[in-house]
Formats: sequence, C-alpha cells, structure tokens
Amino acid sequence: GAVVSQHPSWVICKSGTSVKIECRSLDFQATTMFWYRQFPKQSLMLMATSNEGSKATYEQGVEKDKFLINHASLTLSTLTVTSAHPEDSSFYICSARVGQFASPLHFGNGTRLTVT
Amino acid sequence: QKEVEQNSGPLSVPEGAIASLNCTYSDRGSQSFFWYRQYSGKSPELIMFIYSNGDKEDGRFTAQLNKASQYVSLLIRDSQPSDSATYLCADRGGGTSYGKLTFGQGTILTVHP
Repeated sequence: GAVVSQHPSWVICKSGTSVKIECRSLDFQATTMFWYRQFPKQSLMLMATSNEGSKATYEQGVEKDKFLINHASLTLSTLTVTSAHPEDSSFYICSARVGQFASPLHFGNGTRLTVT
Repeated sequence: QKEVEQNSGPLSVPEGAIASLNCTYSDRGSQSFFWYRQYSGKSPELIMFIYSNGDKEDGRFTAQLNKASQYVSLLIRDSQPSDSATYLCADRGGGTSYGKLTFGQGTILTVHP
C-alpha cells in the first residue's frame, strides 16, 4: 500500500499566485524527502532534497526562492511554488526512503499543477 | 554529469512474450539500480531493485546487473496487457550523489493481446 501521501492530487491556479503541496510519510519517519518534477513525455527530474530541520538542497538550475521547501517534522515536507507561471505547470512528485539509507524510494501519488 | 540511458521505444510485444528493457549508466560509482513502472498520469511504482552483479528474480520480473559493462536490464516474462506502461530505470549514485536517484528517459512498453 501507499507509504507516502501527497496532497492535493491536482490544482489549478492563476498566474502569479502561490501553491503549496504537502508530502507526508505514513507510519514511518522520513528525515529526507525528495521532490521531483515531470513534464509531459519526459522523465523525472530531481528538484531538491528536503532535510528535516535544515535547509533543502536544490539541484542546479532550480530556483530556491521560487520553490520553497519546508521540512518541519519527520513526517511532513511541503513544496510551495511561489508566483506561479504557466511554465511551472507540471507533475510534482515527492518521495521518501522507507528504512535505512540503502532502501529504495517510494513515491507519493503526485500533484498535477496547472497554472492558467 | 551523470546519465542513465534507456533503449529507445516504444516497445511492443504480444501477450505472453518476454519483454526486454535495457539501461546503461555513466557513473561507475553507482551502487544500486531501480526499475519503476509508471502508468499514464500516475506516479512511479517500484518494481525491483538490484545491488549486486547477476540476476535477481521476483515473480515474472528478472533484473540483471553487469557493473563492468555498466548495464542493467529488466525482463518481463509472460507479458500481460496490464504491463503496458512506461518503465523507468534509475541509479543511485555514489560519492556526493549518494542517495539521489537519476532516472532514464523511460521506455514505453505496449503488450498487445
């Protein structure tokens, strides 16, 4: 069954507004979560690594001031897309590792963001 | 720049056949490899992972890893129409990249009745 819960599943927002996406680990603590983005017909691209109690680590080319990540507890990480634009429309997926460091990642159900 | 390359698709096989999906990776420090299946509009779901050279079998799925050749594959036996999806290969790098997954571009598999 699902071990990572993501909310909302889809959201439509107007250009210039901000959108918050939540990622929760169910029945386990996740000190690290990963945020991916997937454009249509493309593969997953890692955006950032979310670390509980510390700043996120962003991949090259990802604007940290635009994609705000907060990992305030061991079971919740949030991604806020600030001042969204149509080019931010994408499928955002969080993931977490269940168990030890060598364990595989499990993904949330994803959030389809459409910016009009 | 780490790269994970998958064989170009789409791949079409008849029901009951063996589907072979291939992947090569550039980072010799990569420690482990993962195969995910992704249905259209859905997030990826883990099928198998492999750490050691050789074969690993799980039901109808067999993952093969050859670190010397930097090659990993996934065989699906007795393919079913429900196996039709995009298959993503990913590696978890070593060194400073440890813990991060790098995905290939995916191979679309269609199993026709």
